[in-house]
Amino acid sequence: KAGVTQTPRYLIKTRGQQVTLSCSPISGHRSVSWYQQTPGQGLQFLFEYFSETQRNKGNFPGRFSGRQFSNSRSEMNVSTLELGDSALYLCASIDVELTEAFFGQGTRLTVV
Amino acid sequence: DAKTTQPPSMDCAEGRAANLPCNHSTISGNEYVYWYRQIHSQGPQYIIHGLKNNETNEMASLIITEDRKSSTLILPHATLRDTAVYYCIGDNFNKFYFGSGTKLNVKP
Repeated sequence: KAGVTQTPRYLIKTRGQQVTLSCSPISGHRSVSWYQQTPGQGLQFLFEYFSETQRNKGNFPGRFSGRQFSNSRSEMNVSTLELGDSALYLCASIDVELTEAFFGQGTRLTVV
Repeated sequence: DAKTTQPPSMDCAEGRAANLPCNHSTISGNEYVYWYRQIHSQGPQYIIHGLKNNETNEMASLIITEDRKSSTLILPHATLRDTAVYYCIGDNFNKFYFGSGTKLNVKP
């Protein structure tokens, strides 16, 4: 079966701009989680969506937001980009019945 | 959220078993133990997970102690391609807390 698809794979933005990242989960998975990975902070949980509702949220400022559509695809948005937002953003597709989570290859965001 | 403790690095000879330990003494009764690995900043790759019983799949075996305070991931025959950072997570599947992991170096 197809894996988790994240688009785009690479992105360069300027400080102050906003960005939208996309995640298409594995077919049949209704939950999606987002993570940020930086060299200094490691992998950190951003938020989780299930059936279009945010269920869990990590400790990130309000500039980070997300949503999930009825087909389970999810987007995350970062507004007013800062240099420190440069990171690998990862999406996990979750099978809640089997309690399994599979990650995509991530979107590498560089803020200049 | 359970926090885990792993050694920062380990070496293993190619072809030998790699045994990666993890302490998760604060894990709660309904939290699973998950293992992932990450190679060259790719997305973390799922290896195995379990709740109470030992588990085995085509990649690895997971041994969880009876008190669930620690576990060991076993790669039965390590290859050079198993060189990666291995993360042990004691958590619910929808919001993982990742620690620093163990860098496994498989040497010829």
